[in-house]
Amino acid sequence: SQQGEEDPQALSIQEGENATMNCSYKTSINNLQWYRQNSGRGLVHLILIRSNEREKHSGRLRVTLDTSKKSSSLLITASRAADTASYFCATAPTGGGNKLTFGTGTQLKVEL
Amino acid sequence: EAQVTQNPRYLITVTGKKLTVTCSQNMNHEYMSWYRQDPGLGLRQIYYSMNVEVTDKGDVPEGYKVSRKEKRNFPLILESPSPNQTSLYFCASSLVSGGDLGGYTFGSGTRLTVV
Repeated sequence: SQQGEEDPQALSIQEGENATMNCSYKTSINNLQWYRQNSGRGLVHLILIRSNEREKHSGRLRVTLDTSKKSSSLLITASRAADTASYFCATAPTGGGNKLTFGTGTQLKVEL
Repeated sequence: EAQVTQNPRYLITVTGKKLTVTCSQNMNHEYMSWYRQDPGLGLRQIYYSMNVEVTDKGDVPEGYKVSRKEKRNFPLILESPSPNQTSLYFCASSLVSGGDLGGYTFGSGTRLTVV
């Protein structure tokens, strides 16, 4: 089952603009993670936010988590062409052992 | 370099011919998983392992087997591959449950085509 659903499915912006992606999930979680995937390659972990955190920053990335709405957002500020990739949220459910459930992803294209 | 290594990167096989995709990690991680990625469906977990000799089914385990005889290796076995198993496969590992310390490290993927 797909725990996370990203929105939008695709996003096209100009270099220098900010990109915001949203993720909704269905069950109680321990943490929520965001990953980046360049075309057909392995996923790279970007940032993790725990269920008791509301906001987290890492470089140009800002993640928020609203457990009452079961949603998260990823903001990439001052985007670059190199940020062009697919972005996935993944949730680790409460008591879920090693289960990590991914959404279907947002395809981001940053144009020069 | 800390990494997850999958082999092969590309594989074309015929229906019914048993195959194994290998996965090895050099980070002494306890937790390992296999995922398949299909267009429009995202990544779906096939099997996962929480330690040597401890494995469990993910969301789409049918048609797959795994084993965890050593901590570093977690091979994915397709006993009788079928065309609906054509997909991009990823192995991933983590130090702790749910990737709670720094997430999961993914391999580069294995693109499998079953004809």
